Amino acid sequence: AQSVAQPEDQVNVAEGNPLTVKCTYSVSGNPYLFWYVQYPNRGLQFLLKYITGDNLVKGSYGFEAEFNKSQTSFHLKKPSALVSDSALYFCAVRDMLAAGNKLTFGGGTRVLVKP
Amino acid sequence: GAGVSQSPRYKVAKRGQDVALRCDPISGHVSLFWYQQALGQGPEFLTYFQNEAQLDKSGLPSDRFFAERPEGSVSTLKIQRTQQEDSAVYLCASSKGQATQSRSGNTIYFGEGSWLTVV
Repeated sequence: AQSVAQPEDQVNVAEGNPLTVKCTYSVSGNPYLFWYVQYPNRGLQFLLKYITGDNLVKGSYGFEAEFNKSQTSFHLKKPSALVSDSALYFCAVRDMLAAGNKLTFGGGTRVLVKP
Repeated sequence: GAGVSQSPRYKVAKRGQDVALRCDPISGHVSLFWYQQALGQGPEFLTYFQNEAQLDKSGLPSDRFFAERPEGSVSTLKIQRTQQEDSAVYLCASSKGQATQSRSGNTIYFGEGSWLTVV
């Protein structure tokens, strides 16, 4: 079984400050990890993924995420947040050894960046 | 097309009515997924196709839900005798990967969703 936890329902940050959105996961084997962003009344947009290799992954719009196997975490980060980053962020996992390709999502974290 | 296309974007159905939601995946994508997203929650897996074969339908909540992809491209999610608890956003997604390539880590790309409200 695979699962994802996003412990914060909402994160508030001032524009220009660093942004962190937390994610922890649980899988039987090794994980593929993904971050998606959802703007109001829109679908999910892919931000970045970790498959293998460097633990620090860089993605779209200046976002990055760090894979930490010992802590089973994949926190999303941005050094300097913009008001336009305000949206709903979802972490997702897929077990590398599981049959099929389905992603399991966390409950989402709403990010509010204030000017 | 450039992205995953879904229609209708918005649908209001009376309780008991049947609905059909259409998904046109990214051209050449083998895998197609349907997810259900309730308000304020993360997407929940419904079903998965590899080409025309429905390989996983473990997430379909009841036998009122039915999905097909007869020619391995466009897919339709059908909900019979809709109930209020079916109100949600139905997201379609596609990827290049196949089930036999579960180690590939292919990115799954989502459409804008079909917003279903059952009244």
